[in-house]
Amino acid sequence: EIVLTQSPGTLSLSPGERATLSCRASQSVSSSYLAWYQQKPGQAPRLLIYGASSRATGIPDRFSGSGSGTDFTLTINRLEPEDFAVYYCQQYGYSPLHFGRGTKLEIK
Amino acid sequence: QVHLVQSGAEVKKPGASVRVSCKASGYTFTRYGISWVRQAPGQGLEWMGWISPYNANTNYVQKLQGRVTMTTDTSTSTAYMELRSLRSDDTAVYYCAREQGPMDVWGQGTTVTVSS
Repeated sequence: EIVLTQSPGTLSLSPGERATLSCRASQSVSSSYLAWYQQKPGQAPRLLIYGASSRATGIPDRFSGSGSGTDFTLTINRLEPEDFAVYYCQQYGYSPLHFGRGTKLEIK
Repeated sequence: QVHLVQSGAEVKKPGASVRVSCKASGYTFTRYGISWVRQAPGQGLEWMGWISPYNANTNYVQKLQGRVTMTTDTSTSTAYMELRSLRSDDTAVYYCAREQGPMDVWGQGTTVTVSS
């Protein structure tokens, strides 16, 4: 099974800055079947990025995804106050469809 | 508009079973899979398994094999997840999610508390 390692565990930034979140897979992710989700306290996760780099419907263009193989990145430009949340990556190329352990993006 | 609406919170004793429902609306139910994901308090997301409403095929995570059953009722566009022999570490928020690769629509979550 593919294990996803997210780093850093916590990222402290200020509004207006750029956030760079990493997700590394233990083996190559098939056809870039890699997604990113945002979760705020008390809410269900929300799909941000699929196919490593495609934005889901309604997601602002300050969110972007990149990478292939085993290394993937979520970049959030010009952080807005509502962007501070926990972010998870997930691979959906092979069962089981594990998630990473998450990166908490907090206000500095 | 696409929605998944889940059943309400449950409190169960160790050893009991729980069944959570997830009613879909706004799309053709049989065209997308349904995954179930749970989240223990203060923890990350754990994928539990998947079901195809089209042909009822299932795929469960190995650690839950034998304790979990996922079903669907296409007449009511509802998915169900039953978990048996509940333990305290099954205490979590359980989510259903529409899946066609990525999980693009999520239910609101159902809190299941296992306590004696």
